[in-house]
Amino acid sequence: DVVMTQTPPSLSVAIGQSVSISCKSSQSLVYSDGKTYLHWLLQSPGRSPKRLIYQVSNLGSGVPDRFSGTGSQKDFTLKISRVEAEDLGVYYCAQTTHFPFTFGSGTKLEIK
Amino acid sequence: QVKLQQSGAELVKPGASVKLSCKTSGYTFSTSYMSWFKQIPGQSIEWIGMIYAGDGGTGYNQKFKGKATLTVDTSSSTAYMDLSSLTTEDSAVYFCANYDGTYYYFDYWGQGVMVTVSS
Repeated sequence: DVVMTQTPPSLSVAIGQSVSISCKSSQSLVYSDGKTYLHWLLQSPGRSPKRLIYQVSNLGSGVPDRFSGTGSQKDFTLKISRVEAEDLGVYYCAQTTHFPFTFGSGTKLEIK
Repeated sequence: QVKLQQSGAELVKPGASVKLSCKTSGYTFSTSYMSWFKQIPGQSIEWIGMIYAGDGGTGYNQKFKGKATLTVDTSSSTAYMDLSSLTTEDSAVYFCANYDGTYYYFDYWGQGVMVTVSS
C-alpha cells in the first residue's frame, strides 16, 4: 500500500497568518494517464471530511482561494493563506492513483 | 443540492452483523460510484471499498475483504454496506462518499455513523 506521510502532525496559528502542510508518498502518484490523483480534505471538529483540493492543485467548488496546492510525483504541499477561524480542524491528504486508496495521518490545525 | 444521508448509530454484539445505509439525492446515483470509509475516533481514515451503481461492480481494500460487502439499490438511490462477524476492532465511525468518476476524488460525504461493538 502507498504510505502517505504528513507533517507536521499539528499546527497552532494566529488568524491572518499563513501555514503549509507537507504530504509525501512512498510511491509516485502519477497515474498511467499522466495525471496525479493527490487530494486534500478538511475534517472540521465533529464533522465529516470535506473536499478542498483535487488533483494536486484544483480547488473544489466553493473552496476559497486562500487554499492552494502544489507538488508533483511524491512531494506535495497544501498552503493556507490568511488563516480564518473556520479553517480549524484536521487536514488529510489522500491518493487515488493506486489501490487501495490511502490517506495521510492528518495535520491538526488549531487557532491561537 | 447533493445529499448523502446515513442511517443512525448502531450498538451491536460481538459476532453479529450490521447493515449500514447511505441514501442519496441531488445527483444521478445510477451512474455513480460510492466509496465507504472507516475512522476510529482520533485516528486517520481508511478506505474500505467502492461500488459502481451502474452494474454493482465492486473494488475492496484487501484488509476489508470478507468483512465488508457493498451493495446498491438504484430504485431508492441508496448504497449499503454489510459488516459481518463484528469484533471490538470494528467499533468506529463509517462514512460513505460519492466518488467522482471524472476527477477521481471523494466529492460529497455522508454525516457518518458510529458503530459500537460491545457485549
